[in-house]
Amino acid sequence: QSVLTQPPSASGTPGQRVTISCSGGSSNIASHSVNWYQQLPGTAPKLVIYGNNQRPSGVPDRFSASNSGTSASLVISGLQSEDEADYYCAAWDDSLNGQLIGGGTKLTVL
Amino acid sequence: QLQPQESGPGLVKPSETLSLTCTVSGGSITTSTYQWGWIRQPPGKGLEWIATIYYSGIGFYNPSLKSRLTMSVDTPNNQFSLKVTSVTAADTAVYYCARRDLQLHAFDMWGQGTMVTVSS
Repeated sequence: QSVLTQPPSASGTPGQRVTISCSGGSSNIASHSVNWYQQLPGTAPKLVIYGNNQRPSGVPDRFSASNSGTSASLVISGLQSEDEADYYCAAWDDSLNGQLIGGGTKLTVL
Repeated sequence: QLQPQESGPGLVKPSETLSLTCTVSGGSITTSTYQWGWIRQPPGKGLEWIATIYYSGIGFYNPSLKSRLTMSVDTPNNQFSLKVTSVTAADTAVYYCARRDLQLHAFDMWGQGTMVTVSS
C-alpha cells in the first residue's frame, strides 16, 4: 500500500539500543531505497540514513538501518540524550509516483 | 554547497493563492545531479511531501495536492517557486524547500522552513 507506517513513539535510556520500524509495501520499500530523517525540536529535518544503510558525512556510526522485504528499521546504538528527536522514514512510491514519508516516531531518551 | 532558503508571505487569507520562493545559494540550480522539492509540516504533525522539480521544469506532484499546485524554476535568479491555490486552514504549515540528491535519492539539504498561516 502507498503508506509508510511508523510507531508514534519509542524510548530508551542512555547507552541502550533502540529500533524504530517502518512498514510499507511492494511499491515503495520493497522496490526503492529507504531514507531516514532526524528532526530535532524546532529545527528542519536532517538526513541521517540514505540508500537503506548509508550515513552522510558527520552522522555518527551509532546510526544504522536495515531492510527486509516491505519493512525497514532504524537502529540507534549507544543512545545519547541528543538523539531525542522525531524520526521519519521515506521512500519513493511507484503507485504515487512520488515521495512517501512515514508519520514519524517521537524518540524519548529517559 | 548548494543551500536552499525559503521565503513566503507568513499569512494568507482562505481561498487565496499561496506563493513561496526558494533561493539556492552556493552554486547553480541547474546542477544536473540535483532536484528541488517542497515538503510541509502542519503544527504538531508529521512531514508531507508536496512536489519535486528538476531545473528543466520536469516535476512530480503529490496526487492529493496536484490540482492546486504550480511549480516553476527561475534559473537566472537561481530560484524555484511553488503556488498553492484555494488555500484553507488545512494548508497552515511550516513549508520547507530542500535539495534532492539524485545519487543519494534523498533530500540531503533543507532550508530552515517558513511558517504559513491561513486565516482571515
